[in-house]
Amino acid sequence: GAGVSQSPSNKVTEKGKDVELRCDPISGHTALYWYRQSLGQGLEFLIYFQGNSAPDKSGLPSDRFSAERTGGSVSTLTIQRTQQEDSAVYLCASSLESSGYTEAFFGQGTRLTVV
Amino acid sequence: DQQVKQNSPSLSVQEGRISILNCDYTNSMFDYFLWYKKYPAEGPTFLISISSIKDKNEDGRFTVFLNKSAKHLSLHIVPSQPGDSAVYFCAAGGGSNYKLTFGKGTLLTVNP
Repeated sequence: GAGVSQSPSNKVTEKGKDVELRCDPISGHTALYWYRQSLGQGLEFLIYFQGNSAPDKSGLPSDRFSAERTGGSVSTLTIQRTQQEDSAVYLCASSLESSGYTEAFFGQGTRLTVV
Repeated sequence: DQQVKQNSPSLSVQEGRISILNCDYTNSMFDYFLWYKKYPAEGPTFLISISSIKDKNEDGRFTVFLNKSAKHLSLHIVPSQPGDSAVYFCAAGGGSNYKLTFGKGTLLTVNP
């Protein structure tokens, strides 16, 4: 498809387990973001990848969270030893940013529920 | 440190009236601003943007106003329609990279 694709769309996991969330950005987009939205809350920035630059990890809430972007395309967000407070919708977005600002396009999100 | 603030978590207006959504920012390096709309169970979708060289941008029923001296922007929707009911996020970018910083959103409800 032409849009940002995230998988799985829903994930229920037991507390303490590790999870991996996947994001396929729009082809050719150089920038990729991960955000999360907890119930009743706004968008919380997690991490930002831009081309070959070092990622901006300033939003990752703890060292249980990590993300990588392989080959400048697909990204995986990994949460280790999940906790109930990790339950949220995790949103991925990508943008072109080849010569300035363009809008970021979001995927549908992955709803993570930690039980 | 919240650099983009949407101080009203919710707003309710009557169909046909004007909706005004507000956003304040603190980072003077921001020079590009966007508004997104989000329906439940969907990702946010881009609505309208404005760069700091302008103070107004209009697209149909949607107009964004930028007051750089006050570090304030607003989104006007007129006339408001029930289908406009959604969460609206403002976002800003600028400085050393193109990273966008989002506000926490305002839930707009347009009543028929």
